[in-house]
Amino acid sequence: DTAVSQTPKYLVTQMGNDKSIKCEQNLGHDTMYWYKQDSKKFLKIMFSYNNKELIINETVPNRFSPKSPDKAHLNLHINSLELGDSAVYFCASSQVQGEAFFGQGTRLTVV
Amino acid sequence: TQLLEQSPQFLSIQEGENLTVYCNSSSVFSSLQWYRQEPGEGPVLLVTVVTGGEVKKLKRLTFQFGDARKDSSLHITAAQPGDTGLYLCAGGRAGYALNFGKGTSLLVTP
Repeated sequence: DTAVSQTPKYLVTQMGNDKSIKCEQNLGHDTMYWYKQDSKKFLKIMFSYNNKELIINETVPNRFSPKSPDKAHLNLHINSLELGDSAVYFCASSQVQGEAFFGQGTRLTVV
Repeated sequence: TQLLEQSPQFLSIQEGENLTVYCNSSSVFSSLQWYRQEPGEGPVLLVTVVTGGEVKKLKRLTFQFGDARKDSSLHITAAQPGDTGLYLCAGGRAGYALNFGKGTSLLVTP
């Protein structure tokens, strides 16, 4: 039973489109995250969210927006996709300052 | 954002050799974690260190947290091809998401 699952695993789309990546965790964790891993393997925090607070990395364009229908889900919506958005996006969850459990990643390719 | 610098960025060694990977920061962390990531997968936690000077061992892997809780090292003894992967350190501070270093890509050849 997968702890953190995200879909789709691969996403190829054209510039200008809007797309969403879904994430679900069944660990009962309070906090969920979205990370972006670029071609150089650098894992950069985009958002962290619990049921009280959304913390946004100030370098993330406002075309990216997290949406949490409930505690177990944190989806990532991206508007007006650009070539530079191509990367692997990871969802993760944790208890406060605990081990982060990661999903398998979504490889986004914008053409 | 607290910067974590990892070195070396790339490491290619032969089976049986020893190696050390370093993780340094100018910030103090309440905890420091080491993750290993394989191609096509998300990072998986290896260890968490929380006390300055702490040493933890995981089979052939030895992790150390600096006395000032600003740096850490990962030492692998007698590396094996199965150790190949991307090793990431991540610093934790209360109220902040984990902040990752840029990783050390390790290749162990038979």
